[in-house]
Amino acid sequence: EAQVTQNPRYLITVTGKKLTVTCSQNMNHEYMSWYRQDPGLGLRQIYYSMNVEVTDKGDVPEGYKVSRKEKRNFPLILESPSPNQTSLYFCASSVYLGEGGNEQFFGPGTRLTVL
Amino acid sequence: DAKTTQPNSMESNEEEPVHLPCNHSTISGTDYIHWYRQLPSQGPEYVIHGLTSNVNNRMASLAIAEDRKSSTLILHRATLRDAAVYYCILRWEGSQGNLIFGKGTKLSVKP
Repeated sequence: EAQVTQNPRYLITVTGKKLTVTCSQNMNHEYMSWYRQDPGLGLRQIYYSMNVEVTDKGDVPEGYKVSRKEKRNFPLILESPSPNQTSLYFCASSVYLGEGGNEQFFGPGTRLTVL
Repeated sequence: DAKTTQPNSMESNEEEPVHLPCNHSTISGTDYIHWYRQLPSQGPEYVIHGLTSNVNNRMASLAIAEDRKSSTLILHRATLRDAAVYYCILRWEGSQGNLIFGKGTKLSVKP
């Protein structure tokens, strides 16, 4: 089954304790990205990757790192989490449909709470 | 990316058609109209996209105004499972990048 998986799905942590949220896709997509979703602010892109070893900042990259060593994986790293990073995080991968269409496939989400 | 305007919420009865409007008066000639939806407790999912002509797929239909300044997502027979937030998004042709989500329209479906 074509899918994007994220782990963990739920995480409660404390300020300053490094954490990694993993993301993996089995569709051989070149493009992957991370979003965060907050009430009243909607979904905002954190980082994206056009291909292996190619990453770039989205709209809200502060406090996050990513890496893309393999095509299928795109982990999100919080080196020193803070309470304002409490959010719902989505990983997505994208396929070009032709004629202007890019279908983004989203993972199930990771709910992160930083105390 | 050009902006879109959608109603905050809409209600529908089960098994009736639903027309979800979207205004995009500043759309450019190379902007495609995409629709995504987000079911409760899930990530967004692609619904449909189009440029100028009306489009149909297994999930929905997309009706695009002749001047392209507005579009309507049509669910032909709403089911309870269609209750979700629907986002209308403009994407530049060939863009693989960021989807800029607005607030969307929260659709409620009554049995």
